[in-house]
Amino acid sequence: GAVVSQHPSRVICKSGTSVKIECRSLDFQATTMFWYRQFPKKSLMLMATSNEGSKATYEQGVEKDKFLINHASLTLSTLTVTSAHPEDSSFYICSARGRTVYEQYFGPGTRLTVT
Amino acid sequence: LAKTTQPISMDSYEGQEVNITCSHNNIATNDYITWYQQFPSQGPRFIIQGYKTKVTNEVASLFIPADRKSSTLSLPRVSLSDTAVYYCLVGERNSGNTPLVFGKGTRLSVIA
Repeated sequence: GAVVSQHPSRVICKSGTSVKIECRSLDFQATTMFWYRQFPKKSLMLMATSNEGSKATYEQGVEKDKFLINHASLTLSTLTVTSAHPEDSSFYICSARGRTVYEQYFGPGTRLTVT
Repeated sequence: LAKTTQPISMDSYEGQEVNITCSHNNIATNDYITWYQQFPSQGPRFIIQGYKTKVTNEVASLFIPADRKSSTLSLPRVSLSDTAVYYCLVGERNSGNTPLVFGKGTRLSVIA
């Protein structure tokens, strides 16, 4: 099946700093990428949807100026958490779908801890 | 998107067959049923997808009755490594920009 990678797998940062998470589709062109957030013992919550070359569409309640999403190519999307605070600590998961890849394939996730 | 309902949790002993049922009363004609598995601190993994009747792969079987208002994921002879959260999702197969929306899932605990 299609492979989606994320980097880093785990990151710890200080409050007030920014963190960038990369999401790559390794063997297919991802026309659409999705970003989810998951808190402990909870389900995945959709944050935003991005199409290659265009601005991301954010879900209600997700601050677009805080969670910057860039989908500059068909294989790479980035999520930047700006001015991170402890409440942003969570598990961030990206997902991708392509023109011929019907299923949504998920990355392994990135554990963000803000101290 | 059709809403799904599934049990919050299930327990099973190793070696048993586990059946997880999902209700999706408002499923649309073009909707497929897809199941994902998620281990702690990992992204969800696609297990199986079906439209009607029965689908089987090397991991599981998916049973879908004629009215398609429910589906059952069957895991044969589970092992401890099958302990995970299982999500049932319903939506169009090639839905482009439409993301998968996850419900609460079923937390399966396999006991030795």
